[in-house]
Amino acid sequence: DVKVTQSSRYLVKRTGEKVFLECVQDMDHENMFWYRQDPGLGLRLIYFSYDVKMKEKGDIPEGYSVSREKKERFSLILESASTNQTSMYLCASSSGTPAPYEQYFGPGTRLTVT
Amino acid sequence: GQNIDQPTEMTATEGAIVQINCTYQTSGFNGLFWYQQHAGEAPTFLSYNVLDGLEEKGRFSSFLSRSKGYSYLLLKELQMKDSASYLCAVLNTGNQFYFGTGTSLTVIP
Repeated sequence: DVKVTQSSRYLVKRTGEKVFLECVQDMDHENMFWYRQDPGLGLRLIYFSYDVKMKEKGDIPEGYSVSREKKERFSLILESASTNQTSMYLCASSSGTPAPYEQYFGPGTRLTVT
Repeated sequence: GQNIDQPTEMTATEGAIVQINCTYQTSGFNGLFWYQQHAGEAPTFLSYNVLDGLEEKGRFSSFLSRSKGYSYLLLKELQMKDSASYLCAVLNTGNQFYFGTGTSLTVIP
């Protein structure tokens, strides 16, 4: 079974803090994604990566950065957390080149910024 | 730009058939996906269409018409456990995924 794990299920941070969300997958997938999910807005893509050290902006990259130093790990960084970044964050991975195919999602991290 | 529309909520009876529609506009098309998401859980993959027509997978089927920018997910023999949100997602030719806001399906006895 494909497994995608995220470092925390729940996280509470203060405004201005630097926040790291970690995602690890165990299926040697090339593609990894970070989304946030908000009521009424659905899943929105923040960043994605198709290879180690490679990253591409999604629909809403502002206020976020990412790091992919190893194939199995994709980190999302909030440089200076703000209250409007309170959300559910979901990581996903998929195989398939040139086009990413079925995505496997992690359990999510519910981040609250106070 | 990208636009994906699906109904917000639907209710159906156990044992019945329900069709969840999705219309999309996208800059280039590379596939359409359906995911199921139970409350408090991560989305799980249901189906993938890249060519026109119907893809059947047990009780679930998905249809695509690229010329109309239209897809539907058909759930047969509904069970209570099918109560969930159903997410339509489009992959564009830039390899970016765009999700709809999801359709919350409630199955009643």
